[in-house]
Amino acid sequence: AQTVTQSQPEMSVQEAETVTLSCTYDTSESDYYLFWYKQPPSRQMILVIRQEAYKQQNATENRFSVNFQKAAKSFSLKISDSQLGDAAMYFCAYRSYNFGNEKLTFGTGTRLTIIP
Amino acid sequence: NAGVTQTPKFRVLKTGQSMTLLCAQDMNHEYMYWYRQDPGMGLRLIHYSVGEGTTAKGEVPDGYNVSRLKKQNFLLGLESAAPSQTSVYFCATKGPSGYTFGSGTRLTVV
Repeated sequence: AQTVTQSQPEMSVQEAETVTLSCTYDTSESDYYLFWYKQPPSRQMILVIRQEAYKQQNATENRFSVNFQKAAKSFSLKISDSQLGDAAMYFCAYRSYNFGNEKLTFGTGTRLTIIP
Repeated sequence: NAGVTQTPKFRVLKTGQSMTLLCAQDMNHEYMYWYRQDPGMGLRLIHYSVGEGTTAKGEVPDGYNVSRLKKQNFLLGLESAAPSQTSVYFCATKGPSGYTFGSGTRLTVV
C-alpha cells in the first residue's frame, strides 16, 4: 500500500516571502499522480497543483510550483510571494495510475500560517 | 450546478444511535468516496464505489456501511455510533477532470 508523509505539522511565513512544504511518499509503482490540496477554514478541498510521475518537468500554477524528485520519492510545494489568503491546511496526496485503483491517499497535512 | 452535496452539515449523536449521511452528485461521475478527517491524521478512506451497485472497503471501514443504489447517491451509515466516530466526513467524486469534494459533515458522538 502507498503511504504519504508530511513531516511538518505547522509552518509559518512572512507575507510576500517564499515557503516550501515537504512531502514524501512510498510506492512500488512507476506511474502515478501526485497532488497538493488546500483546505481553508471553510473546509472546502481545493486542488492547488497536480503532477504526473512520467513527466520530468515540474508542474507550476502561478505562484505555486513543485519540486518533484522521483528517485527520492519527494514532492515539495513552493509558494512564492505568500499572501494572507494562502493560510490553510495543505495536504499532499497520491493516486495510482492503474485503472480501477483511483483512490486518493493523503498525508497528515501541514497548517500554514501567514504572518502579516 | 451543485456538484457534490452532503447532508446534513452538522449532527450530534448519542452513543449507540444510528444515522445515515447522504452524498449526492449531479456530475454523472462513476467513482464516489467517503473519507473521514481527524486532527493530525489527514483524510482517511472509509469506503468507495466504482459505479452504481458497487462498493468496496477503504482504509478504515469498521463501524460503517455504504450503499450505492443510484449512481448519483452514495450513502454512509453508522449502525451504532461510538465516540471514536466523532469526525468530519467528506464525500468526493472522480470524473474526467479530476476530483470534486463536498463541503463536509461534522459529526459529534457523545
